[in-house]
Amino acid sequence: EVQLVQSGAEVKKPGEALKISCQGSGFNFHRYWVAWVRQMPGKGLEWMGIIYPGDSKTRYSPSFEGRVTISADNSISTAVLQWSSLKASDTAMYFCARGSTYGALDLWGQGTSVTVSS
Amino acid sequence: DIQMTQSPSTLSASVGDRVTITCRASQSISSWLAWYQQKPGKAPILLIYRASSLESGVPSRFSGSGSGTEFTLTISGLQPDDFATYYCQQYTGYSWTFGQGTKVEIK
Repeated sequence: EVQLVQSGAEVKKPGEALKISCQGSGFNFHRYWVAWVRQMPGKGLEWMGIIYPGDSKTRYSPSFEGRVTISADNSISTAVLQWSSLKASDTAMYFCARGSTYGALDLWGQGTSVTVSS
Repeated sequence: DIQMTQSPSTLSASVGDRVTITCRASQSISSWLAWYQQKPGKAPILLIYRASSLESGVPSRFSGSGSGTEFTLTISGLQPDDFATYYCQQYTGYSWTFGQGTKVEIK
């Protein structure tokens, strides 16, 4: 089955580090862009950045550059989104999604909920 | 950065209605536009790509049109399953931007 499966929900304190993951299966993971999208509670979708696992080329939204790091491990068909120091404002649902030839995101993970609270 | 503006923000409609949502780009994006449907607590689903191409498995009552800076998503004959939030999204030069969303509510 073609799918993206994300890691489970996280509850963290401000200042803590975090990595969440997105594993692809059923397709050639290294040949597709993988995007990360944030959705804060009750709000819309925000594109955070994207990675091409084939060569690890990465692009970030200006709103997120320097705040998060996107990486990929082709050997396990997994993309990773990480923070070095979380803030309460990072509380959100995070989705990964596969980029198609025409720039649309045609396959989505189920989402990972991140809660940052003291 | 290219900004995407959707209108309206909220739309009240009845089953069977024809519904149109508009998305405007702050500069030309050719046909690099997609539309998504999202229901509460769920991941978005791709409906339309390249402005007017219907994604496989999506009902034909959904259609998209436009190019350059103005785009529309039309639902011809709204069904109960269509009450959701809809987002447009542009792609140019390794940069993606979503519109703010349009919530389609039951009238």
